[in-house]
Amino acid sequence: NAGVTQTPKFRVLKTGQSMTLLCAQDMNHEYMYWYRQDPGMGLRLIHYSVGEGTTAKGEVPDGYNVSRLKKQNFLLGLESAAPSQTSVYFCASSYLLAGEQFFGPGTRLTVL
Amino acid sequence: AQSVTQLGSHVSVSEGALVLLRCNYSSSVPPYLFWYVQYPNQGLQLLLKYTTGATLVKGINGFEAEFKKSETSFHLTKPSAHMSDAAEYFCAVSAGNNNDMRFGAGTRLTVKP
Repeated sequence: NAGVTQTPKFRVLKTGQSMTLLCAQDMNHEYMYWYRQDPGMGLRLIHYSVGEGTTAKGEVPDGYNVSRLKKQNFLLGLESAAPSQTSVYFCASSYLLAGEQFFGPGTRLTVL
Repeated sequence: AQSVTQLGSHVSVSEGALVLLRCNYSSSVPPYLFWYVQYPNQGLQLLLKYTTGATLVKGINGFEAEFKKSETSFHLTKPSAHMSDAAEYFCAVSAGNNNDMRFGAGTRLTVKP
């Protein structure tokens, strides 16, 4: 099993450009999450999903959109990137609500 | 909302010494508590978790943590540090069946030879 995978691993954007980060999991988990990790701030939840077709806002949702069209995939979109969105983005999934989360390897995004 | 405070952004110990990483939480309902480890350029891996039951929880790689409700703490310990323990450690809290897990800012552990 691959677990949780993320595409791409690295990306550099210019201010105002858009992009989509892809997360895929092969563990049949209902719950999926997108976090951003910034130095000294730990991980902050951007959006999450409790099942196919459902999404919800987390702690820092502004500037991001998500979609969960298939159970195994969770997409994170940036419509108009800003330098403040320079970060490392992690996707995670879990089987149980509030249970152990399994993390992907991360995507390092730089917005110039 | 629940929150976590990790005391000390950097901890340095000698190989073979005790490791103690501190975590205090705030939650209005009985919490679920987690410790995760992150090695360089990798995602997070679960070390251990507390949900209900025994307050002393044992995890992987010889780590353990004790849930102390009266102190709202969930400190991580390991009796003898190894070089391979050098990493960043995150404490996290989830408020019961609330899906919103909150992470601490992290503690970077350095192990000196």
